[in-house]
Amino acid sequence: QKEVEQNSGPLSVPEGAIASLNCTYSDRVSQSFFWYRQYSGKSPELIMSIYSNGDKEDGRFTAQLNKASQYVSLLIRDSQPSDSATYLCAVKYNNNDMRFGAGTRLTVKP
Amino acid sequence: KAGVTQTPRYLIKTRGQQVTLSCSPISGHRSVSWYQQTPGQGLQFLFEYFSETQRNKGNFPGRFSGRQFSNSRSEMNVSTLELGDSALYLCASSFLAGGETQYFGPGTRLLVL
Repeated sequence: QKEVEQNSGPLSVPEGAIASLNCTYSDRVSQSFFWYRQYSGKSPELIMSIYSNGDKEDGRFTAQLNKASQYVSLLIRDSQPSDSATYLCAVKYNNNDMRFGAGTRLTVKP
Repeated sequence: KAGVTQTPRYLIKTRGQQVTLSCSPISGHRSVSWYQQTPGQGLQFLFEYFSETQRNKGNFPGRFSGRQFSNSRSEMNVSTLELGDSALYLCASSFLAGGETQYFGPGTRLLVL
């Protein structure tokens, strides 16, 4: 059973702080990893993708991947109230099957 | 470029009925994937179509089916609706089959009474 697990939260951080979102997955034969952001009542939008071990930075966002530990994370630096949303972790397996975690709800308090 | 469009945006049906949802991908995109999103189960993959062929299917009963037309537009059909089918149905398009970058439509919210 391929599982993608996230802490559902809610995760609350003050404005300007670092928000850390975590995701674990159960299948070692995983190809690609994604973070989507979903605002309430809206559809998911892709914010980061990562394919190899290590860190990948894009502006205030950093994705971290550790395949040996089957762990992927998203760090949001200098969190803003506009970052308040549900963050979905997605894993794409070798058969192109895409699985999503349940999402972590992030609230950034001014 | 216009984004992914889905129609209708909202639907109310009763148990036992059937429903057809439509998705038009971004121009030039040939892959369309369908997902069901519920508060309890999250976002679950239904199936993916590429060039009118179903490439991949999630773990849903046969009541859920789909198709894709030559212009890449896709439809999803759910027969014999159950209360548990109430959900947000999202489609996502990408340029390639199993495309890494998926662009989601606004979704169709289905309520089954």
